[in-house]
Amino acid sequence: DGGITQSPKYLFRKEGQNVTLSCEQNLNHDAMYWYRQDPGQGLRLIYYSQIVNDFQKGDIAEGYSVSREKKESFPLTVTSAQKNPTAFYLCASSTPISTGTGGLLNEQFFGPGTRLTVL
Amino acid sequence: GQNIDQPTEMTATEGAIVQINCTYQTSGFNGLFWYQQHAGEAPTFLSYNVLDGLEEKGRFSSFLSRSKGYSYLLLKELQMKDSASYLCAVTLDNYGQNFVFGPGTRLSVLP
Repeated sequence: DGGITQSPKYLFRKEGQNVTLSCEQNLNHDAMYWYRQDPGQGLRLIYYSQIVNDFQKGDIAEGYSVSREKKESFPLTVTSAQKNPTAFYLCASSTPISTGTGGLLNEQFFGPGTRLTVL
Repeated sequence: GQNIDQPTEMTATEGAIVQINCTYQTSGFNGLFWYQQHAGEAPTFLSYNVLDGLEEKGRFSSFLSRSKGYSYLLLKELQMKDSASYLCAVTLDNYGQNFVFGPGTRLSVLP
């Protein structure tokens, strides 16, 4: 069964601790993403990676770090520098699809999410 | 900056038709996506538009006007299970890997 897995589903951490959220995909997608979602808000991009060993900051990268050592894996570390880390974190991967007009577009597939609560 | 607007909440009746609007002002445009997200779950893909016009997919249709920076999602024959948030997202660059999401519209379908 192809898909994206995130673990754990619920995570609790104490203030001042770093925590790493796992994201694995077996869809053979090159691009992977991390988003944060707060109640009543849309998704905000934290980091994305187009290929292995390469990643770019999104809109809200401060206090977060990522690595992309393998195509299948894109873990996100929430550091103690992140001021307000309690949120729902979503990982996604994408594959290019033909738009029928000669162009390409990336269709994103999302994992089930990890809800992080800082106590 | 990038700006995408959607109504915060909408209510409709089972069996009816509802239109959810999305307006955007972004530095680039490669395509617009619509996603459905049930509470506490991951978004799931509904449709995308690259060119102006209407794309139909069963009970769901999506419309795009690039000159007006405007899209809408049309849901027909509403069912209770359609109660969810609907997210509009724009891809900014040529390869479409930089996504910007709107705040989402929470739709409640009443019996």
